[in-house]
Amino acid sequence: AQSVTQLGSHVSVSEGALVLLRCNYSSSVPPYLFWYVQYPNQGLQLLLKYTSAATLVKGINGFEAEFKKSETSFHLTKPSAHMSDAAEYFCAVSDQGAGNMLTFGGGTRLMVKP
Amino acid sequence: DADVTQTPRNRITKTGKRIMLECSQTKGHDRMYWYRQDPGLGLRLIYYSFDVKDINKGEISDGYSVSRQAQAKFSLSLESAIPNQTALYFCATSDQTTGPNNYGYTFGSGTRLTVV
Repeated sequence: AQSVTQLGSHVSVSEGALVLLRCNYSSSVPPYLFWYVQYPNQGLQLLLKYTSAATLVKGINGFEAEFKKSETSFHLTKPSAHMSDAAEYFCAVSDQGAGNMLTFGGGTRLMVKP
Repeated sequence: DADVTQTPRNRITKTGKRIMLECSQTKGHDRMYWYRQDPGLGLRLIYYSFDVKDINKGEISDGYSVSRQAQAKFSLSLESAIPNQTALYFCATSDQTTGPNNYGYTFGSGTRLTVV
């Protein structure tokens, strides 16, 4: 069975600082991995995805994530945080053996201080 | 119009009442899902449907039921609401795409349900 662990339910950074949100997964097959963002009072929006092409994936709003098979990780980064990045972020893994259903991590709330 | 529309956006109901949350989509996707979101627990799958005649329980289906009225419509019912069903509920859709074109899910904006 697939699983996703997001380390840190809350992360606080200063505006302009590096954003690093951690995601580790377990999967018995090569995974597809996703990051979603949820702004206040909104649904989840796809930020970026890894589907076995380049290991460094670029997404919207300056975010990127790197797939590291040896570490079973897919951490999300952004070089310089902006106030508008404050949101909740979810990592998810797709189970190709179960019709591509997604398993989500517990989420990380990113707070950006002025 | 949104690709995935959930109604109502907010609802307060009393313990013991029956309530239905509705979801409709214009994506043309065969697959639809209902999740609930609770702080710190992420999204947990309640029910999912791979087509109109295929409905399956997720990890937390007790106390819930669903109806797939058409490809585009998937409703979630709480037969007798209880306070610990207070949560944010999301509907999502997906297609069967595998490989590099796997786009994951498209989510609705959510229904915030409060059971008092």
